[in-house]
Amino acid sequence: NAGVTQTPKFQVLKTGQSMTLQCAQDMNHEYMSWYRQDPGMGLRLIHYSVGAGITDQGEVPNGYNVSRSTTEDFPLRLLSAAPSQTSVYFCASSYSWDTVEKLFFGSGTQLSVL
Amino acid sequence: SQQGEEDPQALSIQEGENATMNCSYKTSINNLQWYRQNSGRGLVHLILIRSNEREKHSGRLRVTLDTSKKSSSLLITASRAADTASYFCATDTVQGAQKLVFGQGTRLTINP
Repeated sequence: NAGVTQTPKFQVLKTGQSMTLQCAQDMNHEYMSWYRQDPGMGLRLIHYSVGAGITDQGEVPNGYNVSRSTTEDFPLRLLSAAPSQTSVYFCASSYSWDTVEKLFFGSGTQLSVL
Repeated sequence: SQQGEEDPQALSIQEGENATMNCSYKTSINNLQWYRQNSGRGLVHLILIRSNEREKHSGRLRVTLDTSKKSSSLLITASRAADTASYFCATDTVQGAQKLVFGQGTRLTINP
């Protein structure tokens, strides 16, 4: 099993550009989520999904969109990139959706917005 | 806002010594989890302790939970160089079980 796969690993954007960070899992997990990690801030939840067609906001959702058309995929869209979105982004999934236990993380996407 | 706060922020010990990290949280939880992150990598789940449990062991890891003090500790015994990493606690809340919130982490360095 590949687990949780994130692409790309690195990305540089100019302010105002849009892009999509891809996340796919092959473990048939119902729960998927996106976090951003900034120095000294730990990980902060952006959006999450408890199943196909169901998404909800986390702590820092502004400037990001998500959709969940299949169980496997959970892309994160930056609508108009800003320097404040420079961060490392992690996708994570879990088998359980009612209480989140044992998250499996991808290897991350390092994003720089100039 | 951060649900979990960890201390110390950084810890440096000699190989073979024990390492203890602490996590405090603010609201009632269903469970508390600990994760490890090696430099430049994603987080890896270590151990989960439920709100009705007081202590849990997994190999060289020992986790305690004190719900009256809203705090947890992670003990790594007989540390090894490979334990060098950042360690994060993560909690849900009774009101938001799907929103796992991470602390800022403890950076652990094991010196040979």
